[in-house]
Amino acid sequence: EAQVTQNPRYLITVTGKKLTVTCSQNMNHEYMSWYRQDPGLGLRQIYYSMNVEVTDKGDVPEGYKVSRKEKRNFPLILESPSPNQTSLYFCASSWTSGGGNEQFFGPGTRLTVL
Amino acid sequence: TQLLEQSPQFLSIQEGENLTVYCNSSSVFSSLQWYRQEPGEGPVLLVTVVTGGEVKKLKRLTFQFGDARKDSSLHITAAQPGDTGLYLCAGAIPGGTSYGKLTFGQGTILTVHP
Repeated sequence: EAQVTQNPRYLITVTGKKLTVTCSQNMNHEYMSWYRQDPGLGLRQIYYSMNVEVTDKGDVPEGYKVSRKEKRNFPLILESPSPNQTSLYFCASSWTSGGGNEQFFGPGTRLTVL
Repeated sequence: TQLLEQSPQFLSIQEGENLTVYCNSSSVFSSLQWYRQEPGEGPVLLVTVVTGGEVKKLKRLTFQFGDARKDSSLHITAAQPGDTGLYLCAGAIPGGTSYGKLTFGQGTILTVHP
């Protein structure tokens, strides 16, 4: 089944404790991205990757890191989480194509930073 | 950052009523997508519109892309309780190093009462 998987689905942590949220897709998509979703703000892009070893900042990259060492994986790293990073996080992947590319979203990771 | 203003943010209607959700920007997009998201899940693509003035129909849903490719609307005819959910518009940035990057509107929470 074609899908994007994220782990963990739920995470409660404390300020300053490094964490990684994993994301994996099995559709051989070139393009992957991370979003955070907050009430009234919609989805805001954190980082995106056009291909292996090619990443770029989205609209809200501060406090986050990413890496793309393999095509299928795109982990999101919070080196020193803070309470303002409490949010619902989505990983997405898509083909790179003209005319807009459909984003396939994972199920989301709800992160609480105390 | 290119902004997409989505309205209304909340919509509560009775079954059988019609409704329209708007998505507006001062920027031109190469394409515009509409997603629907249910609680506990990631957004799922409903439609992509690419050409200015384009109209697409998906059963009781009608999507329109503005002639100047700066705005879009989603019209639902005879809404059903199953239409309840969060609707998101997303614009694809045209060309350049940000090709493929999506900017999302704030979302419209639709509740259809039986």
